[in-house]
Amino acid sequence: KAGVTQTPRYLIKTRGQQVTLSCSPISGHRSVSWYQQTPGQGLQFLFEYFSETQRNKGNFPGRFSGRQFSNSRSEMNVSTLELGDSALYLCASSLAGGRTNEKLFFGSGTQLSVL
Amino acid sequence: GNSVTQMEGPVTLSEEAFLTINCTYTATGYPSLFWYVQYPGEGLQLLLKATKADDKGSNKGFEATYRKETTSFHLEKGSVQVSDSAVYFCALGGSQAGTALIFGKGTTLSVSS
Repeated sequence: KAGVTQTPRYLIKTRGQQVTLSCSPISGHRSVSWYQQTPGQGLQFLFEYFSETQRNKGNFPGRFSGRQFSNSRSEMNVSTLELGDSALYLCASSLAGGRTNEKLFFGSGTQLSVL
Repeated sequence: GNSVTQMEGPVTLSEEAFLTINCTYTATGYPSLFWYVQYPGEGLQLLLKATKADDKGSNKGFEATYRKETTSFHLEKGSVQVSDSAVYFCALGGSQAGTALIFGKGTTLSVSS
């Protein structure tokens, strides 16, 4: 069974640009969550999508957005990039039957560098 | 709000040494608790979990017990190996449907032979 796939693996952008990251969950998983990982702040929750609907959202500005498609694949978009957006962006999928103790399966992440 | 505090690293040990990584939490209700591990260049993997008080999660020689009276979920291993070198994250599950986890800052473990 293929794991969670994130593309691209590395990305370099300049301030003011926008970027789209992609995540393909494990087959059959309906929930996709996104996390931002930085050395200073650690792992912070961005948002979670379940059946194409945003079910939960973290405390990030509106420049961070996402969506989920009917095949459960998800994209996140960051507009008007700032230097502080440089981070490893991790996607995680789960079956998400509504329980809170489900195991999350993480991808290897997209390393975004903003210059 | 809910939060997780774990000991700062790095933790440097010799092979076969005993490992403890402390984790305490603040939460309302009865959250689930997790330990995730991140090897270099990879995403996080679930190491173990506990869903209620006094539950003990265990995997690959690692153990952690959900202690509600001390709001703790310390990670232990009796004899570490070089291959255990990684970053370890304690995490708290949400109280509502959905999978928003609150992570600690992570503890880097380095094991030398």
